[in-house]
Amino acid sequence: SQQGEEDPQALSIQEGENATMNCSYKTSINNLQWYRQNSGRGLVHLILIRSNEREKHSGRLRVTLDTSKKSSSLLITASRAADTASYFCATAGANSKLTFGKGITLSVRP
Amino acid sequence: DARVTQTPRHKVTEMGQEVTMRCQPILGHNTVFWYRQTMMQGLELLAYFRNRAPLDDSGMPKDRFSAEMPDATLATLKIQPSEPRDSAVYFCASGRSGGVTQYFGPGTRLTVL
Repeated sequence: SQQGEEDPQALSIQEGENATMNCSYKTSINNLQWYRQNSGRGLVHLILIRSNEREKHSGRLRVTLDTSKKSSSLLITASRAADTASYFCATAGANSKLTFGKGITLSVRP
Repeated sequence: DARVTQTPRHKVTEMGQEVTMRCQPILGHNTVFWYRQTMMQGLELLAYFRNRAPLDDSGMPKDRFSAEMPDATLATLKIQPSEPRDSAVYFCASGRSGGVTQYFGPGTRLTVL
């Protein structure tokens, strides 16, 4: 069963705009991760935020975590056409297992 | 540039046939995961291993699926007999002991006719 649920399911923006994607989950977590999947490829790890962290940055990525609301958001600033991909949030419990959401399809128009 | 490799990349087979998918984890990684991705169900964890020992295969249909790690450089996922509903992309991922990030292979796209 899916733990994380991303919102929206699909997002289309113009190059240069910011993209915000949200993820909600149900049970307590150790950390939450975001992955990207380009068409026909495997998933690539983007960023991880631990349960005791509220915000993290990596280049043009900013992720926030609100454990009281069981939600996270991923912001991609100054988007590029190359950011077009599917984005997944994944939650990790006490073991190494990750539970993935169904993903958000991001299209960045040149 | 260390990567997880998977073979074959594509497989088309007929219902009832045996299918074997192979994965070579990144050298030094001792945790290996098998996932299945479909449009309807998304990404599902089928099984995972640590130090070649199966830790959890609760996501795997036991009657037809089996997963093994004959050695530290090879993980296999076998379906026998295959059914059309097994059509999906199967991903292998590996990670370090105590690590939280998983590194995915390119996947095997399986079509069962």
